[in-house]
Amino acid sequence: NAGVTQTPKFQVLKTGQSMTLQCAQDMNHEYMSWYRQDPGMGLRLIHYSVGAGITDQGEVPNGYNVSRSTTEDFPLRLLSAAPSQTSVYFCASRSPGGGTEAFFGQGTRLTVV
Amino acid sequence: AQSVTQLDSQVPVFEEAPVELRCNYSSSVSVYLFWYVQYPNQGLQLLLKYLSGSTLVKGINGFEAEFNKSQTSFHLRKPSVHISDTAEYFCAAKESWGKLQFGAGTQVVVTP
Repeated sequence: NAGVTQTPKFQVLKTGQSMTLQCAQDMNHEYMSWYRQDPGMGLRLIHYSVGAGITDQGEVPNGYNVSRSTTEDFPLRLLSAAPSQTSVYFCASRSPGGGTEAFFGQGTRLTVV
Repeated sequence: AQSVTQLDSQVPVFEEAPVELRCNYSSSVSVYLFWYVQYPNQGLQLLLKYLSGSTLVKGINGFEAEFNKSQTSFHLRKPSVHISDTAEYFCAAKESWGKLQFGAGTQVVVTP
């Protein structure tokens, strides 16, 4: 039972480079989200999806794109990396419903130099 | 809009001593409340949650939390901590149709 799988675990980018952070879940969850974690700021929502083909912006969407072509996958794209995007990124998934538990991946530690 | 405030950024505690992590939320409507734990270099995992009913909620690893509606608080407690409880703890709140909002986190450091 893999749960939520994120790849890669670590990445170093140069300013201006692009990359995609991968997220896959095998729990058939409709809801998926991307967060970034920065010291002293907790987790902030970047983008989220309530089902295949449906995405929306969260609290800090600028500089990031997402798509949801399947229930299982929810990749996060950085089109032109900036040092301000240095962070730890977490993907999460959950079932619909107000009080359902969110399951998190192990995180991707991204450094932009 | 709701917000979540964790009142302590870091809590040092000796092994076998009790610990309390404070969390306050602001919302004009009913919310669901959660505590998550993050061990070093790992993702977050759920400790416990409050949806409705009894205000005292018991979770995994001996943790419990008490929901206080009048004080809009959801403090987390453990009567006796272990070295393995060293981690960062996040309080989170969610309105019925809203998004999960996290506090800034509290780092618990347990020393022998």
